Amino acid sequence: GENVEQHPSTLSVQEGDSAVIKCTYSDSASNYFPWYKQELGKGPQLIIDIRSNVGEKKDQRIAVTLNKTAKHFSLHITETQPEDSAVYFCAATGNQFYFGTGTSLTVIP
Amino acid sequence: KAGVTQTPRYLIKTRGQQVTLSCSPISGHRSVSWYQQTPGQGLQFLFEYFSETQRNKGNFPGRFSGRQFSNSRSEMNVSTLELGDSALYLCASSLAQTQETQYFGPGTRLLVL
Repeated sequence: GENVEQHPSTLSVQEGDSAVIKCTYSDSASNYFPWYKQELGKGPQLIIDIRSNVGEKKDQRIAVTLNKTAKHFSLHITETQPEDSAVYFCAATGNQFYFGTGTSLTVIP
Repeated sequence: KAGVTQTPRYLIKTRGQQVTLSCSPISGHRSVSWYQQTPGQGLQFLFEYFSETQRNKGNFPGRFSGRQFSNSRSEMNVSTLELGDSALYLCASSLAQTQETQYFGPGTRLLVL
C-alpha cells in the first residue's frame, strides 16, 4: 500500500515567519493530496488540497506544491500567526486515504 | 449545512466490554470512513462504507466492525475491548468517490480501563 512520510514532526517559528512542511509518498497511482489542520480537542479540518494534474495551489497565506516525479508535496504557510499553531497532517489517496504522522506547529508571538 | 456529527463524544469502558460509536455524515454525503487516532500510530484507516456496503478495510482485527444505514449514518463497533483500543475515533464523510474531499467530525474519545 501507500506510505506517506511527513517532516518535520515539530516546528517552531516566530510570528510573521514562514513555515514549510514536507511529505513524500510511495504510490505513483495516488492523485489527490489534501492537508488537514487539527486543533486540540477537534477533528482534522481541510485547509487546502491539490490534485495530480496541478503543480501548485494557493489560498491566501497557504500554498501547496506537488512534484509528481519526485513524489513529494509541501505545505507553505506565510506570515504565520499564533492561531496557526496546531497539528498539520498531509495525506495521499489511492483507494483510501493514507495520512502522514503529523507536524506540530507552534507560532511564537 | 451541518457538519459531521459523532456521538458520544466521550466514553469510558473496561476491558472485555464492547462499544458502539455513531456517525452522521454531512447531508448528501454517501461515503463514511472511520479512523483511529493515537499518539503513537497517528491516523489509521479502519474502514469505509458507501451505499451500505463496506468498500475498503484497513488492517484492524475482526473485533472492529461497522455498518451503514440507508440514510448514510454509520456505526462502528468494537468488541472485547483492550487497553490498546483507547484512542480518538474519527469519522469522515465525502460525497461518493474515495478520492473526494473528506470532512471530519469531532471524534469520540474512548478510554478503556
